[in-house]
Amino acid sequence: IAGITQAPTSQILAAGRRMTLRCTQDMRHNAMYWYRQDLGLGLRLIHYSNTAGTTGKGEVPDGYSVSRANTDDFPLTLASAVPSQTSVYFCASSETGSPGGYTFGSGTRLTVV
Amino acid sequence: GNSVTQMEGPVTLSEEAFLTINCTYTATGYPSLFWYVQYPGEGLQLLLKATKADDKGSNKGFEATYRKETTSFHLEKGSVQVSDSAVYFCALSRTGGSYIPTFGRGTSLIVHP
Repeated sequence: IAGITQAPTSQILAAGRRMTLRCTQDMRHNAMYWYRQDLGLGLRLIHYSNTAGTTGKGEVPDGYSVSRANTDDFPLTLASAVPSQTSVYFCASSETGSPGGYTFGSGTRLTVV
Repeated sequence: GNSVTQMEGPVTLSEEAFLTINCTYTATGYPSLFWYVQYPGEGLQLLLKATKADDKGSNKGFEATYRKETTSFHLEKGSVQVSDSAVYFCALSRTGGSYIPTFGRGTSLIVHP
């Protein structure tokens, strides 16, 4: 089934540890995004990539990094986790320039303690 | 810049009641407009979309009309069901070239039997 796979589905992480959230899509979409969802704040964009080899900063990029080595994968790394990064993280993809909408993964629930 | 404003929730209705969730937007150019739905514990799913003024998007009994004169894209359903309980997000994106989607904060809908 075409779509986005995120891993892990949930994780409890000690503060200060490094963590990479994985995201893989099989739709050959050019653009990919990472959002965090927090109660009362909706979705906030962390980083995005319009095409393989390029990335950009979103609304809340501090403490996060991304890479886009190929079309399918867009991992999000927390170099040194802090409790304020406790959130649900969603990866999404879309076809650049197309009004077709976005496809979302099922999310990763991350708790930093 | 682009922005999306949704009515605050939660919206609480009895089964078979009429639903309206208001959404207004600010954008340059001619964006495409979307409604997404998020069921508990899941990622966002595209519900409907409209790509130009006066277009009506519809799906699963939900409708929304792209009103450029009022910069609105209100979501409506004539008779809600308990299974419609979810969080609804209004969103916009520019068409053509690279773009970043903009989401509203979401409106929680609770439908009682």
